[in-house]
Amino acid sequence: AQSVTQLDSQVPVFEEAPVELRCNYSSSVSVYLFWYVQYPNQGLQLLLKYLSGSTLVKGINGFEAEFKKSETSFHLTKPSAHMSDAAEYFCAVSNDYKLSFGAGTTVTVRA
Amino acid sequence: ETGVTQTPRHLVMGMTNKKSLKCEQHLGHNAMYWYKQSAKKPLELMFVYSLEERVENNSVPSRFSPECPNSSHLFLHLHTLQPEDSALYLCASGWTGRYNEQFFGPGTRLTVL
Repeated sequence: AQSVTQLDSQVPVFEEAPVELRCNYSSSVSVYLFWYVQYPNQGLQLLLKYLSGSTLVKGINGFEAEFKKSETSFHLTKPSAHMSDAAEYFCAVSNDYKLSFGAGTTVTVRA
Repeated sequence: ETGVTQTPRHLVMGMTNKKSLKCEQHLGHNAMYWYKQSAKKPLELMFVYSLEERVENNSVPSRFSPECPNSSHLFLHLHTLQPEDSALYLCASGWTGRYNEQFFGPGTRLTVL
C-alpha cells in the first residue's frame, strides 16, 4: 500500500514570505498525488493534484507543487503567504479505491 | 445544489441517544466515504462504499452503523456513543478506479456528553 509522510507538523511563516510544505510518498508504479487544505471547522478542499504530464502543478490560491520522482517528493509551495493561508494542509496519495492521507501540516501566518 | 452536503452541521447528544448523520452528493460519483477527525489526530477512514457496497470497515466499533441506500446518499447511524467519539465527521465522494480524487462535505461537529 502506498503512503505519504508530511515532514513538518507545523510551519510558521511571516506574511508575504515564501512557504513550503514537504510531502514524501512511498514509491510505486503509478502515483497520483493530491494536496488538500482545511480551514477551521470546514471540510477538505482540493488545492491541486498530480495525475500525469507536467511535473509542476499549479493550484488555487497561488499554490503550486512539483512532482519529483527521483526524490519521491511532492512539496507544496507559495511565493508569498497571506493571512488567509492559515489552515491545515494534507498531502494524499491514491491507493486502490481510496486516498491515504498524511498527518497534516498546520500553517500559521504572522504579520 | 451542487457538491457534497452534510446534515446536521452540529450535533450534541447524550450517551444513550440515537442519532443519524446524513451525507448527500450531487456529483454523480460511485463511491462515498466516512472519516473521523479528532483534535490533534490524523484523519481516520471509517467506511468506504463503492457502488453502494461496503468495501472497507476499518475496525470501527459497532456503535457506528453506516448505510448507503443509493449512490447519492450515505448515512452514519449513531447509538450509545462515548465521549471520546466527539469529533468532526467528514463525508466524501469520488470515483473509484480513476485516481480516487475525493470531494469533501463541510463535516458534522459531534459532541457526546
